[in-house]
Amino acid sequence: DAKTTQPPSMDCAEGRAANLPCNHSTISGNEYVYWYRQIHSQGPQYIIHGLKNNETNEMASLIITEDRKSSTLILPHATLRDTAVYYCIAAPEWGANNLFFGTGTRLTVIP
Amino acid sequence: GAGVSQSPSNKVTEKGKDVELRCDPISGHTALYWYRQSLGQGLEFLIYFQGNSAPDKSGLPSDRFSAERTGGSVSTLTIQRTQQEDSAVYLCASSLGGRVRPQHFGDGTRLSIL
Repeated sequence: DAKTTQPPSMDCAEGRAANLPCNHSTISGNEYVYWYRQIHSQGPQYIIHGLKNNETNEMASLIITEDRKSSTLILPHATLRDTAVYYCIAAPEWGANNLFFGTGTRLTVIP
Repeated sequence: GAGVSQSPSNKVTEKGKDVELRCDPISGHTALYWYRQSLGQGLEFLIYFQGNSAPDKSGLPSDRFSAERTGGSVSTLTIQRTQQEDSAVYLCASSLGGRVRPQHFGDGTRLSIL
């Protein structure tokens, strides 16, 4: 699976958009980009995933560059409850028997 | 709807004892995964089930660790002769299996070995 690189931490003001970057320069053609987050003392929570087109759901938007070497997760209006560690994962299309969670980005939403 | 349920939520036991951790996946999910997370660390994959069979056991750290799944549903992770380094949060996830199926996680069992 492709290795991903994320900044270790970020701050965001409450109500503003949080833009979390991820580099995956070695991603292969059949690997999707997944985003999960983990709030303290809880299991990871699936947010969104995509292959090459931008994606949006009720939680977030995912912007993937045309060359697929990087992506950005956007939380449009961050709340205090969005404070968590966010993980960007590149995993193959079929099965993804296990997901490699790196160290992620610790997002702190500030009142 | 009901998510992935794990029990117990916390377990404290003495070194050398055996422990069993239980996972109830989301109904209809054919794939089930076990991970563990040590304090301040990322997730470490342990084992993957598709139905009742385990095609990928590559993450089990030693032969003291085993897991089974019956009826394509509930799974049990067993650790024999526990050691202090086994202390961690053990997380279970399930998915519909197959192509591009996100994994949905329980809140884990926090295992502490004294």
